Amino acid sequence: QKEVEQNSGPLSVPEGAIASLNCTYSDRGSQSFFWYRQYSGKSPELIMFIYSNGDKEDGRFTAQLNKASQYVSLLIRDSQPSDSATYLCAVNPQGSNYKLTFGKGTLLTVNP
Amino acid sequence: NAGVTQTPKFQVLKTGQSMTLQCAQDMNHNSMYWYRQDPGMGLRLIYYSASEGTTDKGEVPNGYNVSRLNKREFSLRLESAAPSQTSVYFCASSEPGQGGGYTFGSGTRLTVV
Repeated sequence: QKEVEQNSGPLSVPEGAIASLNCTYSDRGSQSFFWYRQYSGKSPELIMFIYSNGDKEDGRFTAQLNKASQYVSLLIRDSQPSDSATYLCAVNPQGSNYKLTFGKGTLLTVNP
Repeated sequence: NAGVTQTPKFQVLKTGQSMTLQCAQDMNHNSMYWYRQDPGMGLRLIYYSASEGTTDKGEVPNGYNVSRLNKREFSLRLESAAPSQTSVYFCASSEPGQGGGYTFGSGTRLTVV
């Protein structure tokens, strides 16, 4: 069973701080990695994807990938109360042809 | 641009009843998926369709059937609903050649009593 693990949280940060969300995965051959944001009662929304080792930045969001450690993270700079949501990590395991495996998500709360 | 449209948004069924969840996408994506989301379990793949005319089982297919009617539409059928099928169901589509990230529909909240 190919697994994706996330700390369920809740992770609580003050407004303006950096929120760090972490994800580990079991399939070493995984090719691509995705971060989704899900507000309560809503559907997941794609924030970022990353394929290569290193950092990828998009506005206040930075995704970090370390394939050797099988670890992917999402940093949110200058966190806002509107960032309060559950963040889902998803992985495209080797040979799965984009049938993504999702983690259970981390609940982030940004306090004003 | 509507993206992925799911109907209905809410449904209550009695045990043993049947129903079909509808999903349509207007992004010309080849791949479509049905997931269920349960508290503490995350998103689990029920069925997927890599392209028009093909379907295959995911992680939790028992009790469900699917039809890829054409490139746009992918329906999920519960033949005899059970309380264990109470869940939120999401349809999604993707195009691997465009990065492979999913676009999700708004979901169907199903309760089986």
